[in-house]
Amino acid sequence: QVRLVQSGAEVKKPGSSVRVSCEASGDTFYNFAVNWVRQAPGQGLEWMGGTARIFGSPIHAQKFQGRLSIITDKSTNTAYMELHSLTSEDTATYYCARVQPGARGFDYWGQGALVTVSS
Amino acid sequence: SYVLTQPPSVSVAPGETATITCGGNSIGSKSVQWYQQKPGQAPVLVIYYDRDRPSGIPERFSGSKSGNTATLTISRVEAGDEADYYCQVWDNTSEHYFFGPGTKVTV
Repeated sequence: QVRLVQSGAEVKKPGSSVRVSCEASGDTFYNFAVNWVRQAPGQGLEWMGGTARIFGSPIHAQKFQGRLSIITDKSTNTAYMELHSLTSEDTATYYCARVQPGARGFDYWGQGALVTVSS
Repeated sequence: SYVLTQPPSVSVAPGETATITCGGNSIGSKSVQWYQQKPGQAPVLVIYYDRDRPSGIPERFSGSKSGNTATLTISRVEAGDEADYYCQVWDNTSEHYFFGPGTKVTV
């Protein structure tokens, strides 16, 4: 059984950066790709970026170009999402999700990490 | 960017059939997924590759696609099916994912 466990909730100041971690168990990042999705309070799901293939380079949604970093550390089976230059509009729950091997759906999700940006 | 459209809400009586549409330009050439999300929970994949069900998803959930519209059908709706449902497409040219705005299903 694959499990993705994310880091906890964070409160950040505008202009700062946040890093959310996503540790996998039950499988390794040598076998699947991970993507990141966020959801603002009361809003829908928004794809941020991730890898399309296991050994591919991360791809970012155009909206986040230049301020999003996605890192997969295969040695520790942990993925990281870093978002820079935060504004109040970045207040959201951030999810990591596994891309189905051989398919395109996100079949396992982390529990989500709430990031609140407030002065 | 790629825009997907979904009805904001669908209301259905228990035992009836719920139909949720997802419209998008040239959606016929893209892989479509559907997710169910209940309040306070992470989304759950219910349909991938337009019509395939992950293990553990009831046969009551089915997907189809025709023209510029993908459809999620929930047969014999139960109270536990009340949730938000999102379509998602994978664009193999840009290797980007796009989500629809979501549909709230009320039972």
